[in-house]
Amino acid sequence: DAGVIQSPRHEVTEMGQEVTLRCKPISGHNSLFWYRQTMMRGLELLIYFNNNVPIDDSGMPEDRFSAKMPNASFSTLKIQPSEPRDSAVYFCASSPQGGTRGNTIYFGEGSWLTVV
Amino acid sequence: GENVEQHPSTLSVQEGDSAVIKCTYSDSASNYFPWYKQELGKRPQLIIDIRSNVGEKKDQRIAVTLNKTAKHFSLHITETQPEDSAVYFCAASIGDYKLSFGAGTTVTVRA
Repeated sequence: DAGVIQSPRHEVTEMGQEVTLRCKPISGHNSLFWYRQTMMRGLELLIYFNNNVPIDDSGMPEDRFSAKMPNASFSTLKIQPSEPRDSAVYFCASSPQGGTRGNTIYFGEGSWLTVV
Repeated sequence: GENVEQHPSTLSVQEGDSAVIKCTYSDSASNYFPWYKQELGKRPQLIIDIRSNVGEKKDQRIAVTLNKTAKHFSLHITETQPEDSAVYFCAASIGDYKLSFGAGTTVTVRA
């Protein structure tokens, strides 16, 4: 299995530009998560999808952030307009539902975003 | 919501010695406690987990203990090796999906 696949791995963009991060979860997993990691705030859950439906978006910081999951194998996290404080590592993660390891979350390699 | 505190924030040990990281959680309803290891520039990877119906779990050189009454759980690494150097995160979960992570412990194993 290829694991959770994210792109781009690194992005440097100017303040005000739109940023789109992409994620392909592990095949067969029906839970998908977007996390943000910073030195100051650690690992924060931004949004959780189950069966392609957003279940919990309480961690999305503000209206500049949006996430979609149009099908079981693809999700995007968009920031528009981007700001320097959005600089962070954004992890996509997926999880199988049910079973003895139903809660195990598998992380992608992350997208390192720098907004200048 | 769930609040997870993790100590220490940094830990330096001599190769071959043991390392212990402790976490406390606030919500007695939490029922799943995973530990993740994150090497520099890499993703967090699950190394061991424990559920609330189990008090201890071991996997080779790592073990996790859970005290539900005191609401704390610990990671123990024995016979540490240089490749154990990383940041370790504990987490606690209520229900199916929402993990609250600790702030992380940077472990350095001295050769």
